[in-house]
Amino acid sequence: DIVMTQSPDSLAVALGERATINCKSSQSVLYSSNNKNYLGWYQLKPGQPPKLLIYWASTRESGVPDRFSGSGSGTDFTFTISSLQAEDVAVYYCQQYYSSPFTFGPGTKVGIK
Amino acid sequence: QVQLVESGGGVVQPGRSLRLSCAASGFTFSNYAMHWVRQAPGKGLEWMAVVSYDGNNKYYADSVRGRFTISRDSSKNTLYLQMNSLRAEDTAVFYCARDGVVASAMLVDHYYHMDVWGKGTTVIVSS
Repeated sequence: DIVMTQSPDSLAVALGERATINCKSSQSVLYSSNNKNYLGWYQLKPGQPPKLLIYWASTRESGVPDRFSGSGSGTDFTFTISSLQAEDVAVYYCQQYYSSPFTFGPGTKVGIK
Repeated sequence: QVQLVESGGGVVQPGRSLRLSCAASGFTFSNYAMHWVRQAPGKGLEWMAVVSYDGNNKYYADSVRGRFTISRDSSKNTLYLQMNSLRAEDTAVFYCARDGVVASAMLVDHYYHMDVWGKGTTVIVSS
């Protein structure tokens, strides 16, 4: 199974400042045939279902504000909120869909400093 | 609009069974693979299972393989999760989710990000 790790476990950022989360997979999630990284990022707020923000490691889901972005390839990925807003307080998860079981990272809790 | 609505959760004793349902609307259900994901209290997201758009392929997390069965009925636009031999550690909110790529655009037996989610149904396993 592919193990996903995330760092940090939590972070507090001032409103308007940048928040950065790292995600690492135990093996590459880059599929060579289509040159796509099978990696997504989700936002989870209390009492709400998960929300897809980023897929293919860097493609923003329709309707997602452009302050959210993803980058990376192979085994190392980064998720960035360029200017933190109050409504961005949540737990963020990376997930690989390269091979079953399609594992999630442990999550990173983002709060306001 | 595109919508997924889970049902069937409740309180069940350890060792018993429960079947969850997920009713899909607003899209062509038979064109998409479907997933189940859960979140235990105070824990993170855990992917459970996926079924292909045609129901022919199914994959499971190690923690539920052999106890849980995912299935679908495209005539009813409904996804199911049959859960047997339930344990206290199965207590969670269970979400169904749509695979993010329509079947015609998929690579064979590939699965993708989850773009539409239901609001979840709660399962509590307790004596």
